[in-house]
Amino acid sequence: SQTIHQWPATLVQPVGSPLSLECTVEGTSNPNLYWYRQAAGRGLQLLFYSVGIGQISSEVPQNLSASRPQDRQFILSSKKLLLSDSGFYLCAWSVLAGDFETQYFGPGTRLLVL
Amino acid sequence: AQSVAQPEDQVNVAEGNPLTVKCTYSVSGNPYLFWYVQYPNRGLQFLLKYITGDNLVKGSYGFEAEFNKSQTSFHLKKPSALVSDSALYFCAVRVPWNFNKFYFGSGTKLNVKP
Repeated sequence: SQTIHQWPATLVQPVGSPLSLECTVEGTSNPNLYWYRQAAGRGLQLLFYSVGIGQISSEVPQNLSASRPQDRQFILSSKKLLLSDSGFYLCAWSVLAGDFETQYFGPGTRLLVL
Repeated sequence: AQSVAQPEDQVNVAEGNPLTVKCTYSVSGNPYLFWYVQYPNRGLQFLLKYITGDNLVKGSYGFEAEFNKSQTSFHLKKPSALVSDSALYFCAVRVPWNFNKFYFGSGTKLNVKP
């Protein structure tokens, strides 16, 4: 069966520091991968999605970036964090065939920027 | 533009009573509709989806949803609520012709009181 991992679970970082959040998927090949941010425990904002290695599409301009160095690895980064980057970051995956692209979510990373 | 609306910020229901969480959508063409549940500090869990066929869809934990094309709605229902159903519920629509992106509603907090 497929599983999705995110780490760390919780992160407290000072303003201006770099960021690296990692997401990995097991048990599937060539998934679509997504990064979302959830602010204040409510709405989800799609940040990035990827349909393959090295293929990243950005949804909103910001100081975050994403990379996909391997088929089942998706990384969210920042060179300098802002206070407004605080939130709950969720990674998700889906596959084209057989499941009508249902998205399945990881456990999330809570980021607090101070 | 594609969108999903959850008109209720919060729904309160007594344990054992039926519950309904409302969702309406606006999308060109045939929608693929989803419901997810989120418990505190956790990722989203897939509940059910409507792709085609029977308008009444059954999902996990006794939940079901009714697709109504004329009213562009996809309300989530359960005949008898449990205290453990208390959580945040998200409706989402998948747009196949737009890189299979998901558009999420703002979420509805369900409170089930004993």
